[in-house]
Amino acid sequence: GAGVSQSPSNKVTEKGKDVELRCDPISGHTALYWYRQSLGQGLEFLIYFQGNSAPDKSGLPSDRFSAERTGGSVSTLTIQRTQQEDSAVYLCASSFQSDNEQFFGPGTRLTVL
Amino acid sequence: QKEVEQNSGPLSVPEGAIASLNCTYSDRGSQSFFWYRQYSGKSPELIMSIYSNGDKEDGRFTAQLNKASQYVSLLIRDSQPSDSATYLCAVRWGSGAGSYQLTFGKGTKLSVIP
Repeated sequence: GAGVSQSPSNKVTEKGKDVELRCDPISGHTALYWYRQSLGQGLEFLIYFQGNSAPDKSGLPSDRFSAERTGGSVSTLTIQRTQQEDSAVYLCASSFQSDNEQFFGPGTRLTVL
Repeated sequence: QKEVEQNSGPLSVPEGAIASLNCTYSDRGSQSFFWYRQYSGKSPELIMSIYSNGDKEDGRFTAQLNKASQYVSLLIRDSQPSDSATYLCAVRWGSGAGSYQLTFGKGTKLSVIP
């Protein structure tokens, strides 16, 4: 079956612009996660959605970052007023339930000039 | 601060040898442990999960967990050049709210020499 999909695969933007990154989880997966991977920082958790419950936003680095998940499926991560330190690969993962294995999408490489 | 530690490598092994990758974690209450493989420029791919003490085998891969020592390892038997990648250890701390996300080590780069 289809895996996690993300779009765009690459995004180049100018400092100060807003960007939206999209994630489409594996069909039937109720849990969705966003992570960020940057050089020297490793993979870090950003936000987690489970069904219709309130998201766990504990990993978001600043209030410029937000995410939503519509209809329990597709999720959008929005970064407002992008900064150069936001340059990273943004990875989405999904799992069948919260305590199951997580499967990653191909990621979106964000470059802020 | 919950931490996951891995030797960054590079770890070089000859083709056909056993590669041994190690990971330690800081929280004794951790419940779930995962190994991901990441090729350069690609996203992490799940290769093993382990939840209880002991060994778990899947093909050429064996995961070993020792909760008392807070240690998890991955053995790759009959290593192939295609196994050359960065291996990420990931830990899920618990099963309650706020504990479902994975905490990752920074990865060990494995190089299998033909």
